[in-house]
Amino acid sequence: KAGVTQTPRYLIKTRGQQVTLSCSPISGHRSVSWYQQTPGQGLQFLFEYFSETQRNKGNFPGRFSGRQFSNSRSEMNVSTLELGDSALYLCASGQDVYGYTFGSGTRLTVV
Amino acid sequence: KNEVEQSPQNLTAQEGEFITINCSYSVGISALHWLQQHPGGGIVSLFMLSSGKKKHGRLIATINIQEKHSSLHITASHPRDSAVYICAVVRGNQFYFGTGTSLTVIP
Repeated sequence: KAGVTQTPRYLIKTRGQQVTLSCSPISGHRSVSWYQQTPGQGLQFLFEYFSETQRNKGNFPGRFSGRQFSNSRSEMNVSTLELGDSALYLCASGQDVYGYTFGSGTRLTVV
Repeated sequence: KNEVEQSPQNLTAQEGEFITINCSYSVGISALHWLQQHPGGGIVSLFMLSSGKKKHGRLIATINIQEKHSSLHITASHPRDSAVYICAVVRGNQFYFGTGTSLTVIP
């Protein structure tokens, strides 16, 4: 079966701009979670959606937001980009948090 | 203090060596994952454990819930095992991650 698909794979944005990342989960998976990975902070949890509802949110500023659609696809938006937002953004999908599959990530560079 | 501690941070081994990576956590969890990340970013979940031991090929993962400790073992290591290995615990509906162990296996 198809894996978790994240688009785009690479992205370069300018400080102050906004960006939207997309995650298509494995068919049938209703939970999608998002993570930020940076060399300094490692992997950090952003938020988790289940059936279009945000169930959990990590410790990130309000510039980071997300949503989930009825087909379980999820988007993550970052507004007013800062240089420190440069990172690999990963999403994972699962039936519940116990059995997750990760996507390959979107590498965002803010210049 | 990070809720999930991994050791060692970096590990270099000769091909064929037996490798152990350790993970300790300080909170109650419902499950623990061992993840593998190759250069380029993609993460693969190797194991999910809630008790006992699991084996897949040359990889073995164990967990001791009482001691809040898990180990990942690689037998007969190979250069293709070179990657970052990350321990992630599940609490509530989210993951908490260790900082990873960077493994390099030299031919």
